[in-house]
Amino acid sequence: QSVLTQPPSVSAAPGQKVTISCSGGSSNIGNNYVSWYQQLPGTAPKLLIYEDNKRPSGIPDRISGSKSGTSATLGITGLQTGDEADYYCGTWDSSVWVFGRGTKLTVL
Amino acid sequence: QVQLVQSGAEVKKPGASVMVSCKASGYKFTNFPIHWVRQAPGHRLEWMGWINTATGNTKDSQNLQGRVTFTRDTSANTAYMELRSLTSEDTAIYYCLRWYYDSGWDWGQGALVTVSS
Repeated sequence: QSVLTQPPSVSAAPGQKVTISCSGGSSNIGNNYVSWYQQLPGTAPKLLIYEDNKRPSGIPDRISGSKSGTSATLGITGLQTGDEADYYCGTWDSSVWVFGRGTKLTVL
Repeated sequence: QVQLVQSGAEVKKPGASVMVSCKASGYKFTNFPIHWVRQAPGHRLEWMGWINTATGNTKDSQNLQGRVTFTRDTSANTAYMELRSLTSEDTAIYYCLRWYYDSGWDWGQGALVTVSS
């Protein structure tokens, strides 16, 4: 059982906005930075967000991250079919890195 | 540009060991830790541990019951992960990551390890 809880799936139509939540506790999200990863089918994961809300160069600004207390959220606006992927949150928990179970995004 | 190139797919029998390599290029190898993550078929990402490439100090996930060892060769800019006493539950894709800003900044292409009798 993961210490970080993500919804198993989310869906939205092209052009719409979607949010993916990642819920934890004070030992992880509450006191550590969160990062988010996108995994397209059959490929290695890719960093989308680091330090809660920062984007590496090359990640478009329609991707955003936020955090409040012990929960973090990934937001994607202007959905495209190419956004269909699995999304994972991750953070430290007592010197061990933990990932959420992942959320499958379907663009209808 | 930064590249992490991992060794190829392996097929191992239960009880055997496997070593996966991760050759880094495009940056100073000893400036960034290397983390290891695995993903069993259809399952989520699982963190395995990490190595300080400058000092060689390591930490592994307790989930692996001490079966894993991380090493590095600074002269070859290469990190290694050895997993022992393999079972079918170790069948997975193994990734190495360059760690930066408390995140998996760059990922290797992955190495599939299949454990089968």
